[in-house]
Amino acid sequence: DSGVTQTPKHLITATGQRVTLRCSPRSGDLSVYWYQQSLDQGLQFLIQYYNGEERAKGNILERFSAQQFPDLHSELNLSSLELGDSALYFCASSVATRWGVSYNEQFFGPGTRLTVL
Amino acid sequence: DAKTTQPNSMESNEEEPVHLPCNHSTISGTDYIHWYRQLPSQGPEYVIHGLTSNVNNRMASLAIAEDRKSSTLILHRATLRDAAVYYCILGHYGQNFVFGPGTRLSVLP
Repeated sequence: DSGVTQTPKHLITATGQRVTLRCSPRSGDLSVYWYQQSLDQGLQFLIQYYNGEERAKGNILERFSAQQFPDLHSELNLSSLELGDSALYFCASSVATRWGVSYNEQFFGPGTRLTVL
Repeated sequence: DAKTTQPNSMESNEEEPVHLPCNHSTISGTDYIHWYRQLPSQGPEYVIHGLTSNVNNRMASLAIAEDRKSSTLILHRATLRDAAVYYCILGHYGQNFVFGPGTRLSVLP
């Protein structure tokens, strides 16, 4: 158990819909990262937040957005869903660093499996 | 982004050592070498990381070539639980991780 929790575990929805994925980082971790893992694209970095502020963006679509709240939990919002958005979405957290990668380890949650029908 | 090259797959017998190679010929002086692994149906987990010197922890050892253009993750005694995809990633301050396809390690009983 990494200490990072993600809900829901599974999500099935239809094209055009909007969903919200939730992540609670390990206690004391200020940085939260979101990743998408699909069969054809592998594990891709989407976005990073540090203590409530967006710090880095990767291959995140404009239809996707995220935020980190004062209690440090984070939400990833996916809208106008398409079949190709079906994937595993992982959240990770790490102790510190304001910019980019942490030299400390990133702890990954168990993921949310999104299926778009 | 500096890239890494790993074999697609490797096999090992249980209780034998495993050496997982990674080439990173374009590594910069500030790049750390990180290793993560992903067990089936789980999120990635940290294994080890280093800059220039060899590193050891309870999970594995990391041997870094003198010119830093390659590294090897060493699992001293493979167990069935070590069957996973192993990712070698370069990262430096201000840059986020770029995961490649990794090496799928199979451990045979």
